[in-house]
Amino acid sequence: ILNVEQSPQSLHVQEGDSTNFTCSFPSSNFYALHWYRWETAKSPEALFVMTLNGDEKKKGRISATLNTKEGYSYLYIKGSQPEDSATYLCADRTGYKLSFGAGTTVTVRA
Amino acid sequence: NAGVTQTPKFQVLKTGQSMTLQCAQDMNHNSMYWYRQDPGMGLRLIYYSASEGTTDKGEVPNGYNVSRLNKREFSLRLESAAPSQTSVYFCASSAQAGHTEAFFGQGTRLTVV
Repeated sequence: ILNVEQSPQSLHVQEGDSTNFTCSFPSSNFYALHWYRWETAKSPEALFVMTLNGDEKKKGRISATLNTKEGYSYLYIKGSQPEDSATYLCADRTGYKLSFGAGTTVTVRA
Repeated sequence: NAGVTQTPKFQVLKTGQSMTLQCAQDMNHNSMYWYRQDPGMGLRLIYYSASEGTTDKGEVPNGYNVSRLNKREFSLRLESAAPSQTSVYFCASSAQAGHTEAFFGQGTRLTVV
């Protein structure tokens, strides 16, 4: 049983369309919320580390928001491109423990 | 700039055999982690080490042991491999502060037959 839950498990997006997906985590003892991008045959790479309620982070066409009181974070991809195809993982940092969700796999169709 | 290095990259074991997966980082990080990746399960935490000399169980520790040999190295041992331990194993490290990202090794693909 994963305490960190991501939905949907997978999604398909047409090139140029925007999309978003959710990460929910236990709101008690919150310390930090991480987002990672994981391409096939590679290792996960960090996108964002978020710590404050209401935090918004942006990197290019990808952005994320954080609500620590209700325990969720959204990741947004604006104007999806084929190179955005990957699995996006979120992770809850509690103390020194970093626990991941199962990920959302995004496939961008040209 | 090596980052996090895992060895070996691939391994096939027979049921009951033992082996140690090695992980080393050169970023002077305090925290290190071992995860396994299974289809549809994301990354599941096996063990972690907050600092040299300390280790703690993660979500799926059964069948594994770890050693934090020094600040750089964190090894994962399978004492008696089982087919259920067939997986891809990732080692990661991060600075002590939780506001910093984790860096991952290239992964070890382990098959137990």
